[in-house]
Amino acid sequence: DIQLTQSPSSLSASVGDRVTITCRASQDIRNDLGWCQQKPGKAPKRLVYAVSSLEGGVPSRFRGSGSGTEFTLTISGLQPEDFATYYCLQYNSFPYTFGQGTKLEIK
Amino acid sequence: EVQLVESGGDLVQPGGSLRLSCVGSGFTVSTNTMNWFRQAPGKGLEWVSQISGSGTILIYTESVTGRFAISRDEAKNSLFLEMTNLRVEDTAVYYCSTHGSWGQGTLVTVSS
Repeated sequence: DIQLTQSPSSLSASVGDRVTITCRASQDIRNDLGWCQQKPGKAPKRLVYAVSSLEGGVPSRFRGSGSGTEFTLTISGLQPEDFATYYCLQYNSFPYTFGQGTKLEIK
Repeated sequence: EVQLVESGGDLVQPGGSLRLSCVGSGFTVSTNTMNWFRQAPGKGLEWVSQISGSGTILIYTESVTGRFAISRDEAKNSLFLEMTNLRVEDTAVYYCSTHGSWGQGTLVTVSS
């Protein structure tokens, strides 16, 4: 199975800050990586697919990048609604796997 | 707009069975690749199963292989997950998903 290691596991930041979350894969997954956002008690919402493509309606302050085994999600100019848990997901091979999550909290 | 609505979650004893449903709208379930995911209480996300758009490829995570079965009904525009021989560790919110859209989830609790 492909292991995804996300860092940090938690992050404290202020409105307006820029934050970066990293996801490292245990083997090359090409560009078969996405990012999901989940708020407490809610279903996940996919923000990014194919490393850097934004889902419709996702603000441009979200940016995905990377290739091969190292990927990042950067949020520039944090807004109050961005405080949530973020997961990376690889769909290069079965079983699909997720990172363990990064909880983004308000400082 | 793609919408997914799951149902069928319940409290069931270990060894019991349950059938989850996911009704789609705004797209055709029977021609799209569909997935089930789950999330145990307070834990991260886990992929469970996938059915290909053609319906010919059914794939499962190892821990549910032989116990769960994914299927779909074209007339009902629905996806299903038949779960048998349920274990305590199957307790989770189950979500159906396609092309990045997720339903709201349905809670399965396995407990005596």
